[in-house]
Formats: sequence, C-alpha cells, structure tokens
Amino acid sequence: AQTVTQSQPEMSVQEAETVTLSCTYDTSESNYYLFWYKQPPSRQMILVIRQEAYKQQNATENRFSVNFQKAAKSFSLKISDSQLGDTAMYFCAFMKQYPNDYKLSFGAGTTVTVRA
Amino acid sequence: DTEVTQTPKHLVMGMTNKKSLKCEQHMGHRAMYWYKQKAKKPPELMFVYSYEKLSINESVPSRFSPECPNSSLLNLHLHALQPEDSALYLCASSQVGGSSYNEQFFGPGTRLTVL
Repeated sequence: AQTVTQSQPEMSVQEAETVTLSCTYDTSESNYYLFWYKQPPSRQMILVIRQEAYKQQNATENRFSVNFQKAAKSFSLKISDSQLGDTAMYFCAFMKQYPNDYKLSFGAGTTVTVRA
Repeated sequence: DTEVTQTPKHLVMGMTNKKSLKCEQHMGHRAMYWYKQKAKKPPELMFVYSYEKLSINESVPSRFSPECPNSSLLNLHLHALQPEDSALYLCASSQVGGSSYNEQFFGPGTRLTVL
C-alpha cells in the first residue's frame, strides 16, 4: 500500500509571493504518477499538475511547478506569484502506473490562504 | 463538454429515508467513481465502475448502493443512513486504458446531511 504525507496542515502567503507545499510518499512501485489537486472552498476539485515518475524533468504549469526527488520520495509544489484565487486546499496524490487500478492515494491536505 | 455534474447540490435526509444521488458526464469516459469526503479531509474512494461494471467496492456498507445505468450516468442509492454518513459525496470520471494516465475529472459534489 502507498502512503502520502503532507506535513503542513495550513499555510499562509502574501499575494504575489511564493509558497512551497511539501509532500512525501512511500511506495515499492517503480512506475507511478504523482499529482497535486486543488479544492477551492465550495468548489470542485481540479488537477493542478502531474508528474510521471519515469520523467526526470520537473513538471511546470504556468505559476505552478514541482520539485520531484524520486530517490527521496519527495514531491513538493511551488506556487509563484500567489493570487487570491489560489486560496484552496491542496492535496498531493499518488497512483501506480501498472496495473492501473484507478486508485488515487491522497495526502491529508494543506490549506493555503493567500492574503491581500 | 468537460464537466461532471451532480444533483442535488444539497440533501438532508432522515435515517429512515431512501434517496439517490445522481452524477452525469458527457466526455465519453468509461470509468466513473464515487468518493466520500469529510470536512478538511481527503476524498475516500467508495466505488469504481469501468465499462458500466462495478470493478472496485472499497468495503462500503450496504446502505450505499451504486448503480451505473449507462456510460454517462452514475447513481448512488442511499437507505437507512447514519448521522456519521453526513459528508460531501464526489463523483468523478475518467478514460480507461491506454498507455498514459487517465485524469479523473471531479464533479462539485452533493453535500449530504443525515439527521
């Protein structure tokens, strides 16, 4: 079984500044995917960014980027130039690649508040 | 259309009631999911349907009964629920198969309160 750990229950950041969310995971799988999902208050969950474990290059989506350290089993999310709309709960998640059993293992979540 | 819709948005029911939650998607996805989410907690997988067949049941109590009448619809029938079943129920859908990850698209959820 896979476990995903997010050690920061809450984080606060000033608008336009940068915040980094940490995530570690434990698995014996070699091939897997890692994700960051965003769930704004009273709004639906959306995928922010995805990383394939076989790719060494860190994924980037506009202001969101990850630092993927496979050996350390670490997958942090950096939000640059924070905006008020980034206020949300962020979940780190793991899914094994083969066989694909559809299961997402989520971390406990980090609540991010962006201050004006 | 890249949307998963869920009805109703809110539901209040007594412990003896029977109600149903509905989920719909028109993205051609052949996998559909039910999750339960308590406040400030991550979603917990309940059921997965693949090609309209139940493929995963995460040991969910029988008072929750899923149904997938066609490839676009997913229902969750509720009967004799307990107050601890109060939660946000999320539906999701995704493609199936292929060599790459199949992103799960989530609906907005139904907030259920059991009195």
